[in-house]
Amino acid sequence: GEDVEQSLFLSVREGDSSVINCTYTDSSSTYLYWYKQEPGAGLQLLTYIFSNMDMKQDQRLTVLLNKKDKHLSLRIADTQTGDSAIYFCAESKGGYQKVTFGTGTKLQVIP
Amino acid sequence: DAGVTQSPTHLIKTRGQQVTLRCSPKSGHDTVSWYQQALGQGPQFIFQYYEEEERQRGNFPDRFSGHQFPNYSSELNVNALLLGDSALYLCASSLTGGPYEQYFGPGTRLTVT
Repeated sequence: GEDVEQSLFLSVREGDSSVINCTYTDSSSTYLYWYKQEPGAGLQLLTYIFSNMDMKQDQRLTVLLNKKDKHLSLRIADTQTGDSAIYFCAESKGGYQKVTFGTGTKLQVIP
Repeated sequence: DAGVTQSPTHLIKTRGQQVTLRCSPKSGHDTVSWYQQALGQGPQFIFQYYEEEERQRGNFPDRFSGHQFPNYSSELNVNALLLGDSALYLCASSLTGGPYEQYFGPGTRLTVT
């Protein structure tokens, strides 16, 4: 079955790098996503990576995928207070398949 | 370009009642998915609509039903409300056959008392 796990909380100082980790169980996952949710808001798609990729970089965001260990990480460079939010890791088998989310990691950025 | 919109923003219902939530997808999108997000949890997939039919369904009882209209907008209906149905209901739209990116609306906060 599908299961996505994340640590619950991460605290970093402004200007440092943040690394949020995620593990998933379904080896047939094709797309892996990172979403951001700010208080009282819906989810914002930050980035996604195909399972045949190892890394994807998009401005301050770097996604690393270790398919063998089913481990996904999101690195945010030069973390800002505006990055404080809950970050969800998610996976799908692609196409129009449903997306399975983790429980979210709350990122706290200390000024 | 309007993104995904949902109505109402907040709703309070009594146990046993029925509720209808509405969603308009992002312009150009033809697929709508609904998710339930309980407090402190990640969203859970309810079902997905494409071409006015339910294409996929998550592990939710038949009390949860939906509809998609010819203009791609969608409704989520929940009958016989339980206290445990209190949650944020999120609608997401995407384009079948296009790049698989789901765009989420701001959600409807349902409180069942």
